[in-house]
Amino acid sequence: DQQVKQNSPSLSVQEGRISILNCDYTNSMFDYFLWYKKYPAEGPTFLISISSIKDKNEDGRFTVFLNKSAKHLSLHIVPSQPGDSAVYFCAASTAGGFKTIFGAGTRLFVKA
Amino acid sequence: NAGVTQTPKFRVLKTGQSMTLLCAQDMNHEYMYWYRQDPGMGLRLIHYSVGEGTTAKGEVPDGYNVSRLKKQNFLLGLESAAPSQTSVYFCASSYWGHNEQFFGPGTRLTVL
Repeated sequence: DQQVKQNSPSLSVQEGRISILNCDYTNSMFDYFLWYKKYPAEGPTFLISISSIKDKNEDGRFTVFLNKSAKHLSLHIVPSQPGDSAVYFCAASTAGGFKTIFGAGTRLFVKA
Repeated sequence: NAGVTQTPKFRVLKTGQSMTLLCAQDMNHEYMYWYRQDPGMGLRLIHYSVGEGTTAKGEVPDGYNVSRLKKQNFLLGLESAAPSQTSVYFCASSYWGHNEQFFGPGTRLTVL
């Protein structure tokens, strides 16, 4: 039973446009959500996070939105750049973070 | 500052052989984790440690053992490798109470 789901295995976007990556979760006990970015042959790197007490967090071109009633979060990248092409993992955790559940990932292609 | 390092980067084993994967971090993090990444399944937690001398089971612990004799090192052992353990293994670490994890570059293990 997947507690964190990323239903789109891949997404293709034109350079300069918005990329929207989606994530759904089932466990209402999660109180912290993160996005990680992964390039081939490298480990995931932290991108942006949001606490369950907020509904939006912004960091430069990256914004994460949280809809707790729908148990849904999304990552917006504006404007998208070719260097953003990577696999993006959504993750959810309870306080303290040592039980983090990851989604299966979405591969983003940004076309020049 | 090397961050999180993993040894080896690649390994091929025959069924029944044993091996140990080494993870080291130089950030003085309290928490350390071992994950495996399989196609379509994201990262799944194998074991984790909240401090030197302590370990705990994660989501998929069967067939693996771990030890954390020193704060900076976290070892993952396979006593009798099976083809189902063919995967990419990632080590990660984090500060106490922080959700953001720092990942190593991964070890690609093939069991024939």
